[in-house]
Amino acid sequence: LAKTTQPISMDSYEGQEVNITCSHNNIATNDYITWYQQFPSQGPRFIIQGYKTKVTNEVASLFIPADRKSSTLSLPRVSLSDTAVYYCLVDGGYQKVTFGTGTKLQVIP
Amino acid sequence: DTGVSQDPRHKITKRGQNVTFRCDPISEHNRLYWYRQTLGQGPEFLTYFQNEAQLEKSRLLSDRFSAERPKGSFSTLEIQRTEQGDSAMYLCASSPTTGSLIYEQYFGPGTRLTVT
Repeated sequence: LAKTTQPISMDSYEGQEVNITCSHNNIATNDYITWYQQFPSQGPRFIIQGYKTKVTNEVASLFIPADRKSSTLSLPRVSLSDTAVYYCLVDGGYQKVTFGTGTKLQVIP
Repeated sequence: DTGVSQDPRHKITKRGQNVTFRCDPISEHNRLYWYRQTLGQGPEFLTYFQNEAQLEKSRLLSDRFSAERPKGSFSTLEIQRTEQGDSAMYLCASSPTTGSLIYEQYFGPGTRLTVT
């Protein structure tokens, strides 16, 4: 399984765009990149998934460069409710998903 | 609500007792996962079912842990002779086998276990 590296924590003011970068240098050809969000005392919630280039949905964008050795989750105009832990996952199989320690995002009013 | 449900939400038990947790996945999902999460850490994979078949188990799943998914519907996770180190949040997730987002898992709220 490809190991991922993310910043432990980030702070941002409300209304700003937040970019969280994840490194996954040994990503395999079949691996997808998935991001989850977790609030305290809740299970993780899927945010976005991609394989290459750019993916956008109603809550976030995911940027993946051509070498796929990193990815950046972009949250536009964050609000206080975006305060959470964000996990970057890289995996090519259904069976086993490995979460790291994630990035704790604190949104400041 | 048709999301993943877990029962109980909280469990306090004394060391040495047995505990059992239940997970009800989203009805059309045939994959079911169990994870354990301790404070400050991400979820750790424990085991995975495809329908009623348990296909993979983590080395974290010691002999005191057993999981079942009879009839491929709900699942139970039992911990025998609990130890204080078993205190954690136990998360269940399910996912479909078809669809474009093949790795998306839907998580339940978790069962928080405290072993005293």
